[in-house]
Amino acid sequence: NAGVMQNPRHLVRRRGQEARLRCSPMKGHSHVYWYRQLPEEGLKFMVYLQKENIIDESGMPKERFSAEFPKEGPSILRIQQVVRGDSAAYFCASSPPRGRTGELFFGEGSRLTVL
Amino acid sequence: AQSVTQPDIHITVSEGASLELRCNYSYGATPYLFWYVQSPGQGLQLLLKYFSGDTLVQGIKGFEAEFKRSQSSFNLRKPSVHWSDAAEYFCAVGGGTGRRALTFGSGTRLQVQP
Repeated sequence: NAGVMQNPRHLVRRRGQEARLRCSPMKGHSHVYWYRQLPEEGLKFMVYLQKENIIDESGMPKERFSAEFPKEGPSILRIQQVVRGDSAAYFCASSPPRGRTGELFFGEGSRLTVL
Repeated sequence: AQSVTQPDIHITVSEGASLELRCNYSYGATPYLFWYVQSPGQGLQLLLKYFSGDTLVQGIKGFEAEFKRSQSSFNLRKPSVHWSDAAEYFCAVGGGTGRRALTFGSGTRLQVQP
C-alpha cells in the first residue's frame, strides 16, 4: 500500500514565479492536509481538504496561496508570485474518511527554495 | 485555541542513557495526543498516540508516553537510547469540533553521543 506521495521533492523558483506542489493521498484516504515547515521551526497547519471541498483554510495566507483537491487527481498547493519567505518544506498528510481525529499519515515533503 | 509547548529545543544524551522529552498542551476538552519523529530530510512518522483509556501508551521503536491530565503533559520516554534515535521529535494535539487538523509543537532535536 503506497504511502502519501508528494512531488516534486525539491523545487527551485525565482521570485515572482509560481510554485505547484502535488500530493496524492494514501489509497482509500479522502482527507488531505497541508502543513508548512519553516527552517528550524515546527509544522504550521495551512489547509484541510476533502474531495472537491475546502474544510478549513484558517492557516492559509490570505494572498497568493490556494489549494484544491479535485474529484480526480492529486491535491495541489499553488503559490503565486513566490517570495523568499515562501522557502520552506511543505508537507502533505492524509487520513481515512472515518479515522479518528488527527491520525495523519505524512508524505516526505516538497522543499521549495525561492532565489 | 489549542497549543503545544515543547520547552526543550535541543537535547543531547549518551547512547544507552534514558530519555524524556517534554510536551505540554493547552486544550479545552479531552485531547487526542501524538508524538511524531522526523529524520533529516524526511517526512513525519507516527511514534504513538493517545485517545482515551490507559494513560501510559506504548509506541514503536521502544518509546512510550504518559498522559497526565492534571499537568497537561504528554511526555515521551525511552529507557535506553540508540544512536539511530537521533532526529527531531514533535508533539501534537488534535480534536476539536469539526476540525481534524493537528496542532504541532516546535519540536525537540535529539542528538545521541556515542
